[in-house]
Amino acid sequence: QSALAQPASVSGSPGQSITISCTGTSSDVGSYNYVSWYQQHPGKAPKLMIYDVSKRPSGVSNRFSGSKSGNTASLTISGLQAEDETDYYCSSYTTISTWVFGTGTKVTVL
Amino acid sequence: QVQLQESGPGLVKPSETLSLTCTVSGGSVSSGSNYWSWIRQPPGKGLEWIGYISYSGSSNYNSSLKSRVTISVDTSKNQFSLKLSSLTAADTAVYYCANLYCSRTSCYLGYWGLGTLVSVSS
Repeated sequence: QSALAQPASVSGSPGQSITISCTGTSSDVGSYNYVSWYQQHPGKAPKLMIYDVSKRPSGVSNRFSGSKSGNTASLTISGLQAEDETDYYCSSYTTISTWVFGTGTKVTVL
Repeated sequence: QVQLQESGPGLVKPSETLSLTCTVSGGSVSSGSNYWSWIRQPPGKGLEWIGYISYSGSSNYNSSLKSRVTISVDTSKNQFSLKLSSLTAADTAVYYCANLYCSRTSCYLGYWGLGTLVSVSS
């Protein structure tokens, strides 16, 4: 199975909003509302930020939000802060009961 | 709060088999709707899902690794394990164990271990 496609990098100024896309197929993103997003700081384990397309785990800032349209999911970070500068990965359940991750996006705060 | 901890060798020789164990605390590997997963990340690269297993032993693997991977669960020790055979340098990565929660209405990788770096080299 192929990795979900994400832009390699996205940047924004402090306080701005940015959106990271995650494009899959009808065999993964398009088939289920089981898309999740992970934040990963260097040398650390990934941290769940969004699950089931748009739900936020307890303790995650409401500046993070998710959505989906067709085969593409999106993560929006509003009120961008310096601490948001790191890597982000999407993932999705698939029609063959496996999981697939996105290629990863590096967020830079200008 | 569920916690996961990977353990195993940090260095393995090419062609050998890697064995890693994940110890679960604060929760039970026998819990329903929970699947126990392995994910890896080569240095400087992205995440790759390896596979998962349920407490009953049903499993599913990444098709690209399926011929070399076995994941097993030991409910008596509250652990699950990964075996990856015929290693090459391309298998050098940080290996993470994680909890996959999947119900009829929700599915996500919630809890992750800290990860363990495995290098394949002679």
